[in-house]
Amino acid sequence: DAKTTQPPSMDCAEGRAANLPCNHSTISGNEYVYWYRQIHSQGPQYIIHGLKNNETNEMASLIITEDRKSSTLILPHATLRDTAVYYCIVRGGPFRNRDDKIIFGKGTRLHILP
Amino acid sequence: GAVVSQHPSWVICKSGTSVKIECRSLDFQATTMFWYRQFPKQSLMLMATSNEGSKATYEQGVEKDKFLINHASLTLSTLTVTSAHPEDSSFYICSAKIAGGPSIYNEQFFGPGTRLTVL
Repeated sequence: DAKTTQPPSMDCAEGRAANLPCNHSTISGNEYVYWYRQIHSQGPQYIIHGLKNNETNEMASLIITEDRKSSTLILPHATLRDTAVYYCIVRGGPFRNRDDKIIFGKGTRLHILP
Repeated sequence: GAVVSQHPSWVICKSGTSVKIECRSLDFQATTMFWYRQFPKQSLMLMATSNEGSKATYEQGVEKDKFLINHASLTLSTLTVTSAHPEDSSFYICSAKIAGGPSIYNEQFFGPGTRLTVL
């Protein structure tokens, strides 16, 4: 069963912030929220991950609610190259065993409009 | 760093033939590699987990005799689609995890994918 729920698609104007929501109401205490994206006909690309604190890197920001049941990925200034399918995944975090698998849901297809 | 390559990037073959796809970690050693399959407009589906020097673990519903996985070294895993048929046409993607103790980020690095078309 899917551990996360995401809207199937979203549009965002170029230059604007893209806010992608994700619900993960059954997340357990030791599970992290990871975000990946897949540009058409390419392999997935890691974006960011977090446990409970908000995180920011050069690609995006991750906002996790206090109860950890949902999160939002923020692309601060979306460009056409950000058009992709974005996957929100709940999984074990650092120091997990080597067989920890990434199970992909359906993701959100983000269209950046010129 | 942490680059994963796949070869070939695309392949077309006749029905009934076998096709081998290679997955290499170029600048790190990978104890564990994963193989995914993706049909058009669908998400990635995990096929199997491959640990170096041992037999692969297949996900439910994946035929182990049809999708042969070999992980003979810390930098190479291969997926062989045996007796391929048109329904095996898909985008095959591998990923690799860094060996050598706990990964700080528990991160998997994905290859660019191989598009298989079976005629």
